[in-house]
Amino acid sequence: AQKITQTQPGMFVQEKEAVTLDCTYDTSDQSYGLFWYKQPSSGEMIFLIYQGSYDEQNATEGRYSLNFQKARKSANLVISASQLGDSAMYFCAMREGPEGGGSNYKLTFGKGTLLTVNP
Amino acid sequence: EAQVTQNPRYLITVTGKKLTVTCSQNMNHEYMSWYRQDPGLGLRQIYYSMNVEVTDKGDVPEGYKVSRKEKRNFPLILESPSPNQTSLYFCASSLRGFGSNQPQHFGDGTRLSIL
Repeated sequence: AQKITQTQPGMFVQEKEAVTLDCTYDTSDQSYGLFWYKQPSSGEMIFLIYQGSYDEQNATEGRYSLNFQKARKSANLVISASQLGDSAMYFCAMREGPEGGGSNYKLTFGKGTLLTVNP
Repeated sequence: EAQVTQNPRYLITVTGKKLTVTCSQNMNHEYMSWYRQDPGLGLRQIYYSMNVEVTDKGDVPEGYKVSRKEKRNFPLILESPSPNQTSLYFCASSLRGFGSNQPQHFGDGTRLSIL
């Protein structure tokens, strides 16, 4: 079974509108972390936002927020007021196990969602 | 400027010719990792290192080697490259674990084509 599922291969949004990118995850660990990355066409991976499994508040970073629903194992990324520069591939990723726990800090990535912002 | 630097950015080479992709970080991070990205598969971990002289396999280590002789450097070695290793490669580092106050840093990627 996939550990990270992004069900939307592609999404379109009008400039200035909000968009939600879906991510569901599968883990039996109690402690884990969830990440979103942006990959523009130039190829680099840009860290956007992080949510820890014990964080009670949903994470926010500027126009990015993470809609964390632990019971449903979902961690959707919400981008408000979309801009043309938001057009990119977006990856959801998970780190299983506690921070600094001495284990491999591997990130398991989903397959990504290609977001296109239309003017 | 805090950064992870990979070289080369692009390389076209032939089957069997040994190559090394270098990765260097200037943030004194303990943890470093290599990923490969293939269409439709997302990123998959190749090898990781939790500190100097401590390395271990990730999910897809076959055909690759790494070393961590110094904290800042984590080269990826393809002893006998094959066409199925054609991919986009990323090096990443973090202070120790991943956390909200420990930004993850990725290099800009190395695009390898093995003919």
